[in-house]
Amino acid sequence: EVQLLESGGGLVQPGGSLRLSCAASGFSFSTYAMTWVRQAPGKGLEWVSSFGGSDGYAYHADSVKGRFTISRDNSKNTLYLQMNGLRADDTAVYYCGKAVGGTPTAVCDHWGQGTQVTVSS
Amino acid sequence: QTVVTQEPSFSVSPGGTVTLTCGLNFGSVSTTYYPTWYQQTPGQAPRTVIYSTKTRPSGVPDRFSGSILGNKAALTITGAQADDESDYYCVLYMGSGISVFGGGTKLTVL
Repeated sequence: EVQLLESGGGLVQPGGSLRLSCAASGFSFSTYAMTWVRQAPGKGLEWVSSFGGSDGYAYHADSVKGRFTISRDNSKNTLYLQMNGLRADDTAVYYCGKAVGGTPTAVCDHWGQGTQVTVSS
Repeated sequence: QTVVTQEPSFSVSPGGTVTLTCGLNFGSVSTTYYPTWYQQTPGQAPRTVIYSTKTRPSGVPDRFSGSILGNKAALTITGAQADDESDYYCVLYMGSGISVFGGGTKLTVL
């Protein structure tokens, strides 16, 4: 059974940093691309970042480019999102998803339960 | 700027059929965009109901189906049930690692 468990969220001041983790199990982690999406309070889903399983490259939305970095440790079956320079509009629930293949898309067949990130002074 | 369009809201009667659509502010949606549909109820994680145009993950009822209708991707629910009342989000893969979500459709079953 595929399981994705996010952690690392919390309350942080504007300009601060957080690192989210997504522990994966139940599938061959290194084979699949992985993705982060987020949902601000009362808003829709927004693609944040993807990391390819086949090409090994990282991709980020313009809204987070230069501030967030997605990475993965295949030896630990874990996906990360390093978030620096956090702003109030980064406040959201962050979900990690397993893509259906190696291409770094938000075409995912499994999702974690999410972790809350709140940016406030 | 790429905008993925969805109906803001839709209503269907129990047992009825409803088709939600997913379009682009330029051109047509095709299978090359791997249109994918997520169902989400308030406070819950997204649930994949259709991916890559028409593939249904295991465990998703066959009343959910996906297709391309005209110049849009479509999600059809045949024989709607009360627990289908949710928000539905479409996402398109634009290439070069970039994905774009639509604004979502709030489906009411009444």
